Amino acid sequence: SAVISQKPSRDICQRGTSLTIQCQVDSQVTMMFWYRQQPGQSLTLIATANQGSEATYESGFVIDKFPISRPNLTFSTLTVSNMSPEDSSIYLCSATGTGGYEQYFGPGTRLTVT
Amino acid sequence: AQKVTQAQTEISVVEKEDVTLDCVYETRDTTYYLFWYKQPPSGELVFLIRRNSFDEQNEISGRYSWNFQKSTSSFNFTITASQVVDSAVYFCALATGRRALTFGSGTRLQVQP
Repeated sequence: SAVISQKPSRDICQRGTSLTIQCQVDSQVTMMFWYRQQPGQSLTLIATANQGSEATYESGFVIDKFPISRPNLTFSTLTVSNMSPEDSSIYLCSATGTGGYEQYFGPGTRLTVT
Repeated sequence: AQKVTQAQTEISVVEKEDVTLDCVYETRDTTYYLFWYKQPPSGELVFLIRRNSFDEQNEISGRYSWNFQKSTSSFNFTITASQVVDSAVYFCALATGRRALTFGSGTRLQVQP
C-alpha cells in the first residue's frame, strides 16, 4: 500500500494570491491525480499529473489557473492561482498503485479564500 | 462517458436499523472497478471496498455488505445494525482504463442515537 501526505493541511488565503499544495507518496506509484471537493459537493477530477510532462486537464480546468508539476514518481504539486472565494474547497491528491487499480488518497488540503 | 448516480442525497436512521445506500453506474468499458468510500466530518476519505467488473460475488465485512449486480449496473452498500459512528457521507466511485475515479454525488447518512 501507499501512504500519501499533503502540505499544507489547511490554509486561509487572500483573494488574488496563489497557493501551492504539495503531495508526497511514500512508495512508487503509477499515476497521480488531483481532485477538488467544493463545500457540500462530490469530488471532481482536476487533472492527471504526468511525470516529466504537462498535466492532462479535465474539462473546465486550465493550466493557467491550476498549474501542476510532477518531477518524479512520488511527488507532485498543485498551485491554485489568482484565488477567489469560489476556489474555497478541499483539494485531494490521489495515486494509483503499481498493481493497477489500488487508489490511495491524501488527507486533503482545506483551502479558504477570503 | 461514464457516470455514477447516488440518488439518495440524505438518509436518516435510528441506531440499530439496517440501511442500504444505492449506487448505479454507467460505462461502456467491459473492465472497470467500483469503489465505496466513507468521508466522516474530518474530511478524509476512508476506503471501504474495491470490486472489479468480473467479480459479482457479494461481500460481507463485519456489519458492511455489498451487492454487485451487473445486470442492473448497481453496486449497493448495506450497513447492518447501524451505529452513530457510521454517520458520514458515503461515495460510490468508478474507475476504468484512465484509472482516475468518477465519483457519485454522495449520500449523507445520519444515524440518530
